[in-house]
Amino acid sequence: GAGVSQSPSNKVTEKGKDVELRCDPISGHTALYWYRQSLGQGLEFLIYFQGNSAPDKSGLPSDRFSAERTGGSVSTLTIQRTQQEDSAVYLCASSLVAFTDTQYFGPGTRLTVL
Amino acid sequence: AQRVTQPEKLLSVFKGAPVELKCNYSYSGSPELFWYVQYSRQRLQLLLRHISRESIKGFTADLNKGETSFHLKKPFAQEEDSAMYYCALTLGNQGGKLIFGQGTELSVKP
Repeated sequence: GAGVSQSPSNKVTEKGKDVELRCDPISGHTALYWYRQSLGQGLEFLIYFQGNSAPDKSGLPSDRFSAERTGGSVSTLTIQRTQQEDSAVYLCASSLVAFTDTQYFGPGTRLTVL
Repeated sequence: AQRVTQPEKLLSVFKGAPVELKCNYSYSGSPELFWYVQYSRQRLQLLLRHISRESIKGFTADLNKGETSFHLKKPFAQEEDSAMYYCALTLGNQGGKLIFGQGTELSVKP
């Protein structure tokens, strides 16, 4: 079946602009995770959803970052007033349920802030 | 705070040689440990997890709670094993979020 998909695959934006990144999880997966992969910081957790609720937002770097999930499916990660340090690959993963189920990753969105 | 350490950024071996990718973690409880792999131009995927005690593509990893280590081993490396390897842990009471090490790039030369 279809895996996790993310769009766009690449996004180039100017400093100060807002961006939206989209994640389509595997159908039926109730848990959805956002991670960021950057040269300096490696792979970092940002936020996870169980259904439409986000019990853990502890990894969001600042209040410029927000995420939502609707209908227990698609999730959107929004970055407002982008900064150059936001440049990274943003990865989405989903699992059947949260906790210890295997997470399946999407291909990522490469964000470049000029 | 929980932390995963992979001391080697790059590990280069010849085909047929044994390989060991090191991973140490800091956590006083009982985390679950994973190895994820990212082949060139492919997405991150699970290689193995300690709880299942499987051998995948010839790789094994043993959790050593005394040394807080979860090293990944393969007796005979193949060229197709060249990839980026990430060790990660998750805590059952934190929703399954993964805490990753910095990754080790494995290069297997012919």
